[in-house]
Amino acid sequence: AQTVTQSQPEMSVQEAETVTLSCTYDTSESDYYLFWYKQPPSRQMILVIRQEAYKQQNATENRFSVNFQKAAKSFSLKISDSQLGDAAMYFCAYVETSYDKVIFGPGTSLSVIP
Amino acid sequence: KAGVTQTPRYLIKTRGQQVTLSCSPISGHRSVSWYQQTPGQGLQFLFEYFSETQRNKGNFPGRFSGRQFSNSRSEMNVSTLELGDSALYLCASTRQGYNEQFFGPGTRLTVL
Repeated sequence: AQTVTQSQPEMSVQEAETVTLSCTYDTSESDYYLFWYKQPPSRQMILVIRQEAYKQQNATENRFSVNFQKAAKSFSLKISDSQLGDAAMYFCAYVETSYDKVIFGPGTSLSVIP
Repeated sequence: KAGVTQTPRYLIKTRGQQVTLSCSPISGHRSVSWYQQTPGQGLQFLFEYFSETQRNKGNFPGRFSGRQFSNSRSEMNVSTLELGDSALYLCASTRQGYNEQFFGPGTRLTVL
């Protein structure tokens, strides 16, 4: 069965600094998608970034970028120039292309220090 | 385009009662998934519906059920509520061919 692990339950970063959140996953599939979702205190889940496994190029979305290492089954999220609004729970998620079931990691709570 | 909507936003029930939660997906999205989120268990997949058919199901007891209507709106039902059913229930819709899910604001269920 596929699993997603986030080894950092809590992280903190100074405003304007850079932080990297870790995620590893386990699968025997070769074709899948990976996502990072953000859940602020409002509890609204927001898609931050997505990565297709067949693409070697790492996805980027403004201040957010990923380091996708397919062989190592690693998918880390880098947040540059951290802002107070980045404070939230971040979930790493995996989904196979053949299904719409999403498997979430346990989450990393990110605090941003002014 | 309107986002995913869920009603009600908050619900308080007592043990033994049943509850129905509603989810309206983004227009054009035919897949709807339900998740239970608790502090202890995190986000757990309940089930997914596509074109009125349940395609995937998580490891939840039969007290949890769902359905989807022809307009893609979905409902989930929990019968014989237990204290442990207190959670945030999230609904997400997906556009066919795109695996990213768009989430609603959730329904906060409290079982007393």
